Amino acid sequence: QSVLTQPPSVSGAPGQRVTISCTGSSSNLGAGYDVHWYQQFPGAAPKLVIYANNNRPSGAPDRFSGSKSGTSASLTITGLQAEDEADFYCQSFDKSLSGAVFGGGTRLTVL
Amino acid sequence: QITLKESGPTLVKPTQTLTLTCTFSGFSLSTSGEGVGWIRQPPGKALEWLTLIYWDDGKRYSPSLKSRLSITKDTSRDQVVLTMTNTDTVDTATYYCAHRRITAAGQYFDRWGQGTLVTVSS
Repeated sequence: QSVLTQPPSVSGAPGQRVTISCTGSSSNLGAGYDVHWYQQFPGAAPKLVIYANNNRPSGAPDRFSGSKSGTSASLTITGLQAEDEADFYCQSFDKSLSGAVFGGGTRLTVL
Repeated sequence: QITLKESGPTLVKPTQTLTLTCTFSGFSLSTSGEGVGWIRQPPGKALEWLTLIYWDDGKRYSPSLKSRLSITKDTSRDQVVLTMTNTDTVDTATYYCAHRRITAAGQYFDRWGQGTLVTVSS
């Protein structure tokens, strides 16, 4: 049971927009801690795509955007492309655990 | 450019101690604000944060694994070592080390090693 809750899967057709949610609690997202997002392809290490709620690192496609409000956050991918198909994880800090916490991951399927 | 690479055994027997080394470049763990973390991922499952070490030798551990984990650094060799005692089959996972960055309200991992798969089996 992950501290941050994500839907197991989402899907969308090429060109569409998809949103992946991440729900936390008053001990992490609700306490004001930032949320970060990682994309992971099969057999590869996770790669940062959004940091500090809504910032893209260098090299991340501008089709990726993030938002956070209260105990929830979301990653939105617009103009979905086949190459976006991967697993996505949200991550934050939890003050009760005094450490990083991850979501359970969401598998994005491009139809 | 920051790079990290994990190394260690691919197979350990239950109850044995697992030692993994993270060798990095592109930054120094003697620089204020720097940190390196370990994260693992059992086959087909989610990421799990294990531990973190800071430039000032401060350390943080996952509460659920704290009694079995130890993290140390060797700044002269640009290495971080993870030790896990009393391993079990449930510790079978890909283990990643990652470079930590801080924000005004938290921290994240901006660079990851390729990961190393460790199987715990007799």
